[in-house]
Amino acid sequence: DIVMTQSPDSLAVSLGERATINCKSSQSLLYSSNNKNYLAWYQQKPGQPPKLLIYWASTRESGVPDRFSGGGSGTDFTLTISSLQAEDVAVYYCQQYYSTLPITFGQGTRLEIK
Amino acid sequence: EVQLVESGGGLVQPGGSLRLSCVGSGFTFSDYWMTWVRQAPGKGLEWVASVYQDGSEKYYVDSVKGRFTISRDNAKNSLYLQMSSLRAEETAVYYCARGLDKYQHFDYWGQGTPVTVSS
Repeated sequence: DIVMTQSPDSLAVSLGERATINCKSSQSLLYSSNNKNYLAWYQQKPGQPPKLLIYWASTRESGVPDRFSGGGSGTDFTLTISSLQAEDVAVYYCQQYYSTLPITFGQGTRLEIK
Repeated sequence: EVQLVESGGGLVQPGGSLRLSCVGSGFTFSDYWMTWVRQAPGKGLEWVASVYQDGSEKYYVDSVKGRFTISRDNAKNSLYLQMSSLRAEETAVYYCARGLDKYQHFDYWGQGTPVTVSS
């Protein structure tokens, strides 16, 4: 199984400041035949289901604010919120969907306001 | 508007059975792989099972193989998860989600249905 490890486990950032969450996979998620990284990011607020933010490591889902961006390739990925807003308080998960099952998620990173 | 609505959760004793349902609307249900993902209280997300558009391919996490069965009825826009021999550690909120392929992100999720396995 591909193991996904997020860091940090929790993060406190001031409003308007940048927040960066890291995700590392135990094997490369870059598929050479199409040059795509099989990595997604989700946001989950209390009592709600996960919401897709980013897929293919850096493609923003329709309707997601442009302050959210994804980067990285291979085994190391980042989710960046350029200017933290109060409504961004949530738990964030990375997910790999490389060509092997099971699909696996990171353990989550809790983002709070400092 | 795309909607996924789960039902069927509840309290069940260890070793018992339960059948979850998920009804999709606002999209062509048969065009999508459908998946169940669960989340234990205060924990992260765990992929449970996925089923191909026509139901001919089914995949499971190792821990549920032989006990859970995923199925779908495209005429009813419905996804199911038959769970048997349930264990206390399978207490969780069970979400259905859709994706365009077996190896895919999930662009829509239901609100989830809670399952509690306890005596």
